[in-house]
Amino acid sequence: GAVVSQHPSRVICKSGTSVKIECRSLDFQATTMFWYRQFPKKSLMLMATSNEGSKATYEQGVEKDKFLINHASLTLSTLTVTSAHPEDSSFYICSALTGGSYEQYFGPGTRLTVT
Amino acid sequence: AQSVAQPEDQVNVAEGNPLTVKCTYSVSGNPYLFWYVQYPNRGLQFLLKYITGDNLVKGSYGFEAEFNKSQTSFHLKKPSALVSDSALYFCAVRDPKIIFGKGTRLHILP
Repeated sequence: GAVVSQHPSRVICKSGTSVKIECRSLDFQATTMFWYRQFPKKSLMLMATSNEGSKATYEQGVEKDKFLINHASLTLSTLTVTSAHPEDSSFYICSALTGGSYEQYFGPGTRLTVT
Repeated sequence: AQSVAQPEDQVNVAEGNPLTVKCTYSVSGNPYLFWYVQYPNRGLQFLLKYITGDNLVKGSYGFEAEFNKSQTSFHLKKPSALVSDSALYFCAVRDPKIIFGKGTRLHILP
């Protein structure tokens, strides 16, 4: 089946620094990728939708200048958390969608801890 | 807007007993419904989906779900629970982006 990877799986950074999370589709081309955030024991909250070569569409309440999303190729999307603060600590999950498919393939997630 | 609701935060079932995790949906048009499972500190694993066709959908790990249009439900079921089924389960609808329910934690008691 389709595989989506995320790197890193865990990251600890200091407050005020930026951190980049990569999401890759390993064996298929992802026309659309999604970024979700999950708080402890909570559901997944969609942050943004990105299509290859175009600007990401952010959900209401998500700061686009803080959570920079780039989808430069059909197999790679990146999420950069800029000037991270402790409240940004969370589990970030990406998913990928192929053209015409109903099924999203999810990455294993990245645990971000901001100290 | 499309949405799904999972009315139970937690479900406890004894090992070997049948299990049901409830989900109801609210959509306009034909629903595309999904179930996912999440183990601790892991991403989501796809269990099954309903797009069209038979109302009873069979998925991974022995799970199945029944699409019921009159009750707008898509409950997840398994005839005999295993301790290893203990996890967080999400019902979802495609909007076209996937919107998740709040999740139901399933505890299978040995």
